[in-house]
Amino acid sequence: EAGVAQSPRYKIIEKRQSVAFWCNPISGHATLYWYQQILGQGPKLLIQFQNNGVVDDSQLPKDRFSAERLKGVDSTLKIQPAKLEDSAVYLCASSLAWIPSTDTQYFGPGTRLTVL
Amino acid sequence: AQSVTQLDSQVPVFEEAPVELRCNYSSSVSVYLFWYVQYPNQGLQLLLKYLSGSTLVESINGFEAEFNKSQTSFHLRKPSVHISDTAEYFCAVSDRSNTGKLIFGQGTTLQVKP
Repeated sequence: EAGVAQSPRYKIIEKRQSVAFWCNPISGHATLYWYQQILGQGPKLLIQFQNNGVVDDSQLPKDRFSAERLKGVDSTLKIQPAKLEDSAVYLCASSLAWIPSTDTQYFGPGTRLTVL
Repeated sequence: AQSVTQLDSQVPVFEEAPVELRCNYSSSVSVYLFWYVQYPNQGLQLLLKYLSGSTLVESINGFEAEFNKSQTSFHLRKPSVHISDTAEYFCAVSDRSNTGKLIFGQGTTLQVKP
């Protein structure tokens, strides 16, 4: 079974530029999560989708971050414009979501973003 | 709201020695508890989880964790570690709502030395 795929694996941009990350979850997984992991900290949830609807985006900085999940499968996360403090690893995870609070979340390898 | 504190950022230990990685949580509601592990150059993966029932849960590779409600702790232990256990370990909680949102601790790096 293929795991969660993410691309690119690394990205370096200048501040005020825009960037987009892509995630392909495990086939059949209804729930998709985007986490931000700053160096030395644990992952922090940015946004959660159930199929193609948003369940929780309370910690997404909506003035600069946006995300979509087309047709309930792939997802993209965009930052525009980027700030220095956005330097982090962006993790995508998915789960079957029969009972989301108990489900195992499967994580992709992450995208490491450096903002200069 | 929930929070998780992992009391040690790094734990160095010699191979075949026992180890304990400490995790404390704070929550006003009942929670589910998880340990995730991140091996070098790999993504996070579930190690074990406590949902209900026996407070002692085990993983397939010899780790165990015990839920202690009175001390709000979920410490991870292994009686004898291997070099291959070198990784970063994250404790996480979720409330019992239907969103599955995980709150992670800061992580503990386990360094197993030969």
